[in-house]
Amino acid sequence: DAGVTQSPTHLIKTRGQQVTLRCSPKSGHDTVSWYQQALGQGPQFIFQYYEEEERQRGNFPDRFSGHQFPNYSSELNVNALLLGDSALYLCASSWGSVGELFFGEGSRLTVL
Amino acid sequence: KNEVEQSPQNLTAQEGEFITINCSYSVGISALHWLQQHPGGGIVSLFMLSSGKKKHGRLIATINIQEKHSSLHITASHPRDSAVYICAAGANNLFFGTGTRLTVIP
Repeated sequence: DAGVTQSPTHLIKTRGQQVTLRCSPKSGHDTVSWYQQALGQGPQFIFQYYEEEERQRGNFPDRFSGHQFPNYSSELNVNALLLGDSALYLCASSWGSVGELFFGEGSRLTVL
Repeated sequence: KNEVEQSPQNLTAQEGEFITINCSYSVGISALHWLQQHPGGGIVSLFMLSSGKKKHGRLIATINIQEKHSSLHITASHPRDSAVYICAAGANNLFFGTGTRLTVIP
C-alpha cells in the first residue's frame, strides 16, 4: 500500500515564475491538505481539498491555488513566485477532514 | 501570541532518560496531533487525540481539554528518538507549533 507521494522532491525556480506541485494521497483517503514549512519553522496550513473542492483555507494569498482530481490526487499551484515562497511544501492525506494525517516527504522549492 | 506554543524549543537528554514535551493551544480543536519530523523533512503522525491519554510503545500522549494543554512523554529515550517533535491543534485548519528539537546522546 503506497503512502502519500509528492513530486517533484526538489525544484528551483526564479522570481515571477509559476510552479505546480503534485500529491497522491494514501489509498483509501479522500482529503488532501497542503502545508508550507519555512526553514526552522513549523508547518503552516495552506488549504484543504475534499470532494474536489477547497473546503478550508489558511492565511495565504490568491497566488496559491489548488485542485483536487476525481481520483483524490491534488495539485498546488503558486503564481508569481517570490523569494519568500522558498520552503518545504508538505501534503497530507486523511479519511475525512479531521482524520489522522499521513504526510508525504515534501517538495522543497527554492526561489532565486 | 501563537495559537500553539511548545516547550522546550530544544532538549538534550542522555539515553534512558524520561522526556516530556509540552504543548499549549488557544484555538478550538477537534483533535490534537503529535508529529515527528526527521532531518530531510518527512513527517510521521505519532498520535491524534481529543481526550485523555494514548500510549504507543515508549511514547505516551496526554491532553487536558479544560486547560488546553497536551504533553508528549518518551520513556527510556534512545538515540533513534532524536528528531523534531511538533504539536498541531485545530480542526480542518491545523495550527502548528514550531517544534521541539530532541537530541538523545548515547
